[in-house]
Amino acid sequence: RKEVEQDPGPFNVPEGATVAFNCTYSNSASQSFFWYRQDCRKEPKLLMSVYSSGNEDGRFTAQLNRASQYISLLIRDSKLSDSATYLCVVRHNTDKLIFGTGTRLQVFP
Amino acid sequence: SQTIHQWPATLVQPVGSPLSLECTVEGTSNPNLYWYRQAAGRGLQLLFYSVGIGQISSEVPQNLSASRPQDRQFILSSKKLLLSDSGFYLCAWNEGDSYEQYFGPGTRLTVT
Repeated sequence: RKEVEQDPGPFNVPEGATVAFNCTYSNSASQSFFWYRQDCRKEPKLLMSVYSSGNEDGRFTAQLNRASQYISLLIRDSKLSDSATYLCVVRHNTDKLIFGTGTRLQVFP
Repeated sequence: SQTIHQWPATLVQPVGSPLSLECTVEGTSNPNLYWYRQAAGRGLQLLFYSVGIGQISSEVPQNLSASRPQDRQFILSSKKLLLSDSGFYLCAWNEGDSYEQYFGPGTRLTVT
């Protein structure tokens, strides 16, 4: 079983739609959680950290469910510029991050 | 503000040739530094990380090596490239008190 699992997609949604991605992790001792965004042939960029109580940054909302070991990312009012691959990232008890293989989002006009 | 540089941006090398990729970070001191590889259609694989000058930890045994000759410089090397070394090589950094990592623009390596 992979340490971090994501649905690869693609998720094809129209502009203005709300879309949600889930990610599951296998290590119950995981301590930190992040969402990164990666555009085609570019480096990953930190989108947001995920806090235990959930957190929001503009149109983006992240949730953590430790009991079920999953993380979610909700994007409201999708924009064409949101088209990218979204990487779920988990940290155990070291500085090392474990990356999922990503969920691809395509927003169409 | 902090910036991270990598070069070259793209590289095409024959099998058996040597490799040297460089990463430098500006605007911070004593960062943790990382080398990742992303093969086509796959996730990021951590290759090496360093918490200080001359301190290198290897995650995956292979024909690659890393060095940190200066505080903000991280180098990835190989004496003889394999076809399987092709991929997107990414350098990342974080400060000791934060786990968020920030990536450089990457080097796309094709071994022919």
